[in-house]
Amino acid sequence: EQQVQQSPASLVLQEAENAELQCSFSIFTNQVQWFYQRPGGRLVSLLYNPSGTKQSGRLTSTTVIKERRSSLHISSSQITDSGTYLCAMERSNYGSSGNKLIFGIGTLLSVKP
Amino acid sequence: ETAVFQTPNYHVTQVGNEVSFNCKQTLGHDTMYWYKQDSKKLLKIMFSYNNKQLIVNETVPRRFSPQSSDKAHLNLRIKSVEPEDSAVYLCASSPRTGGPQDTQYFGPGTRLLVL
Repeated sequence: EQQVQQSPASLVLQEAENAELQCSFSIFTNQVQWFYQRPGGRLVSLLYNPSGTKQSGRLTSTTVIKERRSSLHISSSQITDSGTYLCAMERSNYGSSGNKLIFGIGTLLSVKP
Repeated sequence: ETAVFQTPNYHVTQVGNEVSFNCKQTLGHDTMYWYKQDSKKLLKIMFSYNNKQLIVNETVPRRFSPQSSDKAHLNLRIKSVEPEDSAVYLCASSPRTGGPQDTQYFGPGTRLLVL
């Protein structure tokens, strides 16, 4: 069972358009992170947003924990924003001090000139 | 340079062989992780170590074994590889034990192809 669902699976935008990416969880979590991966590139953390709204540059994340969902808004998209955006939730590893990230399958964003 | 380093970048081998992947982080972090990213790009955690001690061990085949000599190194050995082991293996590290706001930093990955 996929515990983290992301939509859309892929998205094509014209440069300067805005993007809205969605993430939902099948179980409760209190830690949500968004990551970015360029093809062949490293996975990079974008935003940590356990609840409410967090902004970093052109990125805005809104998490509603009670509804088990989070969104990532990209404003004024640029060609260099193209890549895969992954949502991840942290799940406590019961009985130990470690947590683990559970990832969605990602949204593939392609920004055209 | 402070980052997460992985070797090799790419490895091709045959079914039944043993492979070993290396990971080193120079970020001074206490916790390190191994993830597997399959052909559908789904990323799943395999192991995590905190200060050389295993703290997360997901249900992975017994042919996979992590090895940590110190908190800056976490290697992954696969005995007798199978075709389904073909994937990208990502190493990551984080400052603490995976608590709140504990961002993970990822290496570039090792792509394994089993023929």
